Amino acid sequence: AQTVTQSQPEMSVQEAETVTLSCTYDTSESDYYLFWYKQPPSRQMILVIRQEAYKQQNATENRFSVNFQKAAKSFSLKISDSQLGDAAMYFCAYWDQGAQKLVFGQGTRLTINP
Amino acid sequence: GAVVSQHPSWVICKSGTSVKIECRSLDFQATTMFWYRQFPKQSLMLMATSNEGSKATYEQGVEKDKFLINHASLTLSTLTVTSAHPEDSSFYICSASNRPVEAFFGQGTRLTVV
Repeated sequence: AQTVTQSQPEMSVQEAETVTLSCTYDTSESDYYLFWYKQPPSRQMILVIRQEAYKQQNATENRFSVNFQKAAKSFSLKISDSQLGDAAMYFCAYWDQGAQKLVFGQGTRLTINP
Repeated sequence: GAVVSQHPSWVICKSGTSVKIECRSLDFQATTMFWYRQFPKQSLMLMATSNEGSKATYEQGVEKDKFLINHASLTLSTLTVTSAHPEDSSFYICSASNRPVEAFFGQGTRLTVV
């Protein structure tokens, strides 16, 4: 079964600085999708960024970008110019094409220090 | 993005009673809906997947007779927790999809059983 691992339960960063959240996954598929979701204190799940495995170019969304290393099965999220509103739980997720469902990592709690 | 509305946002019920949670896709037709459970400071755990007009597919370990899922229309799915007990207290989240790899989340329901 596909698995997603986030090895950092908690991270903190100073406001305006850059932080990178780690994610690794295990799959035997060659084409798949990876996601980063943000869950703020409201607990609403918000899609931050999506990466398609067949695309070699790393996805970016404004201050959010990923470092997708397919061979290493690594999918890290970089947040630049961190803002107080970025404080949240961040979940890495893999779309399991066979089972037609999302597989989530354990999550990383990000704290922004003013 | 598309809007998914979950109702109620929070509910308190007495032990032994049943409670129904609704998940509606407001501006698109959802062929598939997913129900998750999330314990404090933990990741999302998929409970079941429902396709419109079909019986839900439950994940291993989830009691189908306790967590009744109905997906009667392309815009509405319901989760009924039957004979609720304090251990069923949790945060329940739905997501809706009309094509693979794209799912939109409701705001979640906090259930407290007293």
